[in-house]
Amino acid sequence: DQQVKQNSPSLSVQEGRISILNCDYTNSMFDYFLWYKKYPAEGPTFLISISSIKDKNEDGRFTVFLNKSAKHLSLHIVPSQPGDSAVYFCAASALPGSARQLTFGSGTQLTVLP
Amino acid sequence: NAGVTQTPKFRVLKTGQSMTLLCAQDMNHEYMYWYRQDPGMGLRLIHYSVGEGTTAKGEVPDGYNVSRLKKQNFLLGLESAAPSQTSVYFCASSSPGGQTQYFGPGTRLLVL
Repeated sequence: DQQVKQNSPSLSVQEGRISILNCDYTNSMFDYFLWYKKYPAEGPTFLISISSIKDKNEDGRFTVFLNKSAKHLSLHIVPSQPGDSAVYFCAASALPGSARQLTFGSGTQLTVLP
Repeated sequence: NAGVTQTPKFRVLKTGQSMTLLCAQDMNHEYMYWYRQDPGMGLRLIHYSVGEGTTAKGEVPDGYNVSRLKKQNFLLGLESAAPSQTSVYFCASSSPGGQTQYFGPGTRLLVL
């Protein structure tokens, strides 16, 4: 039972255009969401996050939107650059106790074409 | 400041052999985690630790053991490796109040 789903395994976008990566979740206890970026043969690196008390968070070219009623979040990258080509993972966490365990989606491979 | 480091980077094991993966962090983080990543799947939590001397099970703990004898180190052990444990293993750390986990570069393990 996947609690965090990324239904698009891959996405290709032209350089300079907008990239939109989507993520759906089923667990209503999740209250914090993160996006990680991963290059081949490297570990995931933190990109941007959003708390459930917000519906938008922006950091430079990256914006994350959260729609709690739809249990859906999206990552917008504007403008897309070739260096953005990587696998993007959506992750979510709740706080049942003393540690924030992350539940990851399966990832979306973004390819930005020059 | 190296962040999170993992050794080894790559290892080949035969079924039934044992090995230990080492994770070290120099960020003075209390929390540490071990994940595995398999093709077409996201990272899945194996075990985690909220402090020196403590460990807890994650989503997929079977076949693995862990130890946190020092705050900066988190060891993942495979007592009797199986082909199903072929995967890429990532270690991560975070501070108790922090929401973000910082990942190491990964260890690629092949069990024949």
